[in-house]
Amino acid sequence: AQTVTQSQPEMSVQEAETVTLSCTYDTSESDYYLFWYKQPPSRQMILVIRQEAYKQQNATENRFSVNFQKAAKSFSLKISDSQLGDAAMYFCARIGVDSNYQLIWGAGTKLIIKP
Amino acid sequence: NAGVTQTPKFQVLKTGQSMTLQCAQDMNHNSMYWYRQDPGMGLRLIYYSASEGTTDKGEVPNGYNVSRLNKREFSLRLESAAPSQTSVYFCASSANYRGQSGYTFGSGTRLTVV
Repeated sequence: AQTVTQSQPEMSVQEAETVTLSCTYDTSESDYYLFWYKQPPSRQMILVIRQEAYKQQNATENRFSVNFQKAAKSFSLKISDSQLGDAAMYFCARIGVDSNYQLIWGAGTKLIIKP
Repeated sequence: NAGVTQTPKFQVLKTGQSMTLQCAQDMNHNSMYWYRQDPGMGLRLIYYSASEGTTDKGEVPNGYNVSRLNKREFSLRLESAAPSQTSVYFCASSANYRGQSGYTFGSGTRLTVV
């Protein structure tokens, strides 16, 4: 079954520290795309970072980076120097031919930033 | 840049009433989507339009209809609202049906059916 699993319903981190959010997925395909989306209390869904499965290099966007382990089907998000504005729900998602190019979403992780 | 614009932002309906949620994008994207998000859950696809002139059912299409009016606009209609349709609705768009660049989302419509 095509699934995306986020095993941490909630995480908390002290401001300025680093936190890692976990995501695993299931697919038999070799070509697909992975995404992390952020949903703050304003409820706007914001694309944080994307990874192409055929690229071995981990994607980075400023303080956000991923650890993509293709063989393990793992796609974790690392947030460095956490800021109060990072508090949000974070959703992991995958898209590929086996999903008919529809996004498959994880259930989300609520990130709490402690001042 | 407006991106994806949804209207209205909030709506309260009585059971059995109908309404249309409007969505427009100004990024010249080919593909558009309607999702619903229920408390504590991820997004579930209602309908999508891979390109102008086409629409397809997603995971939870029952009780909804869509219209891809032109390349920019994709509307979602509830013909006879039910309390189970109380949710937050998101419209999204992507450059093409493969979605490899990710989706751009609107700010959502909070719909309550009483």
